[in-house]
Amino acid sequence: AQSVTQLGSHVSVSEGALVLLRCNYSSSVPPYLFWYVQYPNQGLQLLLKYTSAATLVKGINGFEAEFKKSETSFHLTKPSAHMSDAAEYFCAVSEWSGNTPLVFGKGTRLSVIA
Amino acid sequence: DGGITQSPKYLFRKEGQNVTLSCEQNLNHDAMYWYRQDPGQGLRLIYYSQIVNDFQKGDIAEGYSVSREKKESFPLTVTSAQKNPTAFYLCASTRQGNYGYTFGSGTRLTVV
Repeated sequence: AQSVTQLGSHVSVSEGALVLLRCNYSSSVPPYLFWYVQYPNQGLQLLLKYTSAATLVKGINGFEAEFKKSETSFHLTKPSAHMSDAAEYFCAVSEWSGNTPLVFGKGTRLSVIA
Repeated sequence: DGGITQSPKYLFRKEGQNVTLSCEQNLNHDAMYWYRQDPGQGLRLIYYSQIVNDFQKGDIAEGYSVSREKKESFPLTVTSAQKNPTAFYLCASTRQGNYGYTFGSGTRLTVV
């Protein structure tokens, strides 16, 4: 079975500071990994995905994530936080075939302080 | 533009009543999913369907039912057997392979 653990249900950063949202996964098969963002009362939007091509993945809005197999991690980063980044972020895992549904973490709410 | 549409955006249910949440996509996606979202619990899978006329239970299927008669549509019925239905419900779809999901904008269901 696959699972995802997001460390920290709430992260607060100052505007312009580094954003680091942590995600660790568990999977018995090679994983595909995803980060999604959700704004209040909306659906989820795909930020980026790891599909075994490159370990450093760049996404939208200046976010990127690095797949580290040895650490079973897929942390999300952004060099400089913007007020518009305030949202909830979800990490998700699936097996490479895509035949099983995505398993989501519990989410991390990001607050950006002016 | 292609997308996935959920309706209604807000829904109120009386005790003992069944309600149906609509999910329609025009992306020609094969697979569709229903998730339930509660504060602090992330997204939990209710049901999913990878082809027409076939669907599988997710982790929290009790008290819910679905149908998949058309590729474009995957309605979710919340039955009176679901004792705590107040939540935000998200529908998603994807094409074959592993390309990530496209999500609808959600339906917020409240029991009154």
